[in-house]
Amino acid sequence: TQLLEQSPQFLSIQEGENLTVYCNSSSVFSSLQWYRQEPGEGPVLLVTVVTGGEVKKLKRLTFQFGDARKDSSLHITAAQPGDTGLYLCAGFNAGNNRKLIWGLGTSLAVNP
Amino acid sequence: NAGVTQTPKFRVLKTGQSMTLLCAQDMNHEYMYWYRQDPGMGLRLIHYSVGEGTTAKGEVPDGYNVSRLKKQNFLLGLESAAPSQTSVYFCASSYHGQGLGYTFGSGTRLTVV
Repeated sequence: TQLLEQSPQFLSIQEGENLTVYCNSSSVFSSLQWYRQEPGEGPVLLVTVVTGGEVKKLKRLTFQFGDARKDSSLHITAAQPGDTGLYLCAGFNAGNNRKLIWGLGTSLAVNP
Repeated sequence: NAGVTQTPKFRVLKTGQSMTLLCAQDMNHEYMYWYRQDPGMGLRLIHYSVGEGTTAKGEVPDGYNVSRLKKQNFLLGLESAAPSQTSVYFCASSYHGQGLGYTFGSGTRLTVV
């Protein structure tokens, strides 16, 4: 069974701090997606990474896909209260089952 | 663009009652999905569809049925609601099944008493 483990599970920081959240698996994925979910809303896609070693930047957010395509990280620089939310990673397997495997998420609170 | 629209937003059912959750997308996406999200369990796939007229079971299909009569609509039915079906339900869609990202609706919060 493929699993995606996200860490930390919870994170509470002050505005202006930097942080990194991790998404790890023992399985190889064809691509990996990151979403942010705010209370009462559905997840919103932030980025998809498809190549081992790939780095993508979205303003203050930097996403990296591991060289072996088994893990990924999300780094936020100078966090702001608007970054508060649940960050979810999801790995896609283009093999036989073509399923999306979800992590349980990292709940981030950025305090002003 | 409306994206993915789910109705209703909230619903309370009594055990044994039935209901249908509606999902509509205006992006001409081929693939559509129904998920439930529960604390500590994450997002779990109930049923999905790879095109108009097709449906398939996900991880937790028991107690649910779906239909995809039109490409833009994906309906989730509960024939006889149980308290274990209390959850937040999300519909999502994607252009194809290549794992490049889903668009989610804003969810339906269902409570079964």
